[in-house]
Amino acid sequence: SQQGEEDPQALSIQEGENATMNCSYKTSINNLQWYRQNSGRGLVHLILIRSNEREKHSGRLRVTLDTSKKSSSLLITASRAADTASYFCATDAKNNLFFGTGTRLTVIP
Amino acid sequence: EAQVTQNPRYLITVTGKKLTVTCSQNMNHEYMSWYRQDPGLGLRQIYYSMNVEVTDKGDVPEGYKVSRKEKRNFPLILESPSPNQTSLYFCASSTTGELFFGEGSRLTVL
Repeated sequence: SQQGEEDPQALSIQEGENATMNCSYKTSINNLQWYRQNSGRGLVHLILIRSNEREKHSGRLRVTLDTSKKSSSLLITASRAADTASYFCATDAKNNLFFGTGTRLTVIP
Repeated sequence: EAQVTQNPRYLITVTGKKLTVTCSQNMNHEYMSWYRQDPGLGLRQIYYSMNVEVTDKGDVPEGYKVSRKEKRNFPLILESPSPNQTSLYFCASSTTGELFFGEGSRLTVL
């Protein structure tokens, strides 16, 4: 399987703190995406970073990509209670998307 | 409104009773895919389709069938469901790489 792996599996922080989640993958990729899932709901696309990019920002989100280490990180700054969700990385290879197992983020008000 | 619609959202059935989960998208996307989500295992791809009449197996295709006769529809068929197919199923579609997901179908097979 080409599935990625997120780390940590679960993360609990106070509102206002930053949250960092990591993703490692195994094969060469075209791009890497991050998705968010509220409990039991469909996944929602957050951000896409291409293999020739090293960093990308979107609002309070910052994504980095290190293709030499086959890893990516998602940083959520100034977290809010509404950021509580599961976050998944997905790697694009062979015209397909492969998802990791997710990081469960809990932001405590 | 751009959306991916799955039906049913919830279903309890019994072993061996054929069922179909429908998926429809209104965004004219060429790519569609089915995933199942199980605790601790993340999302695993069942089948995907790059276009009409083109389907391919994902990571866990056993026990499932799909068809893509029209661009907007991509039904998932369980010919003879078994308890290990109890799961949360998601349909998704895409044209530019970003996936749009349905709200999920929670299936229980007794």
